This record gives sequence, structure tokens and C-alpha cells, in this order.
Amino acid sequence: SQQGEEDPQALSIQEGENATMNCSYKTSINNLQWYRQNSGRGLVHLILIRSNEREKHSGRLRVTLDTSKKSSSLLITASRAADTASYFCATDASNSGYALNFGKGTSLLVTP
Amino acid sequence: GAGVSQTPSNKVTEKGKYVELRCDPISGHTALYWYRQSLGQGPEFLIYFQGTGAADDSGLPNDRFFAVRPEGSVSTLKIQRTERGDSAVYLCASSLTGARDTQYFGPGTRLTVL
Repeated sequence: SQQGEEDPQALSIQEGENATMNCSYKTSINNLQWYRQNSGRGLVHLILIRSNEREKHSGRLRVTLDTSKKSSSLLITASRAADTASYFCATDASNSGYALNFGKGTSLLVTP
Repeated sequence: GAGVSQTPSNKVTEKGKYVELRCDPISGHTALYWYRQSLGQGPEFLIYFQGTGAADDSGLPNDRFFAVRPEGSVSTLKIQRTERGDSAVYLCASSLTGARDTQYFGPGTRLTVL
């Protein structure tokens, strides 16, 4: 079963604009991770945020986590054509801590 | 350093055949995971190894699926009597210790059952 739900399903923006993707989940978590996937193959880990953290930055990426609303957001600033990919959030159930539950992803298209 | 590798990158087989998919985790990672991703979906958990033992195989869809990790490093996912519905990308991931660690994924094996 897929716990996470990303929103929107698809997003199209121009280079230089910011892209915001949201993720909602259902059960308590230990941490939440964001991954990028190009062309339906390997997932690239972007950032991990723990349940006791509220915000985290990595380069042009900013992730927030609101455990009271069971939601997270990924912001990509100053987007580039190379950011075109599918983005997934993944949560691990607090009673296991290892099996990741993924949503269906957000498909991001950045046009020059 | 080297990441997670998976072989083959693509596998085409006929319905009813047996297939093996291989995963080489990052050196030193004790935890290994298999996921399956169907078109348009996110990855779904299949099985988790801690060392040589399968700590959780609750995601395996049925008894045609089996995985081993005999020496605590390389893992093989085995599928018997393949069906067309088994067609998907099979992803392997590893993490340093397991619980609550970042999972690093391989490039996947695209399995097509004709």
C-alpha cells in the first residue's frame, strides 16, 4: 500500500522559477525522505528530515515537515532544465523504521 | 565510492520462466532492501535483509518470489513461473545499519514478461 500522496501529480514551470511539491501521509513516522527519479530508473536520494525537525536545507532544496498535519513540502528554488524528473516522498512507519512507503510522485517539467 | 549496482539492467523473459535478479549493495552496508515499481507508481517494498537474514519479507506478493543474501553482501531476487503481471522495475537499496537510515538505490532491473 502507498502511504504517501504527492501533490500536484504534474507540474510544469520555466527555468528560474521555484517549484513546490507537497506530500501527505497517514501514520506516525520516524523520518521522511525525498527522492528524484529520472526516466523511471534509479532513485537519487535528495534529503532526509527526521520527525523532530521542522525544516532542512540542501543547496537549492528546502524541505519542511509538519507532523501535526502529516505533511511535507519540497521547494526547489531557481529551477533548471536538469531538474526535470519525478519526485517522490517516502516515509517509514515508526514501528518499523526501515520499509519505505512511497507515493505516486510528482512529475516536474522545467522548460528553458 | 561505488554505489548500489544491479544486474542485468534489462531482462526479457517468457511467461512461466524462472529469473534471477542480482544486487550489489554499497560496501559495508548491513541492510539491503528490494522494491518493485510498476509504471506510473511509486516503489513498493518487497523484502528487507539485515545481514544474511530476511528480517521482513511481508512485501513479497506470493510464494513465487524468493530472495537470498547468503554472505550478507550480494543479494539475489528469484522469481519462479513468471507471469505478465510481474513486469516492473525491480529496485534494490542498501543502508548502513538499517533502522531509520538513508536508503541508497541502485539503477534497477527492468523485467518484461512476454
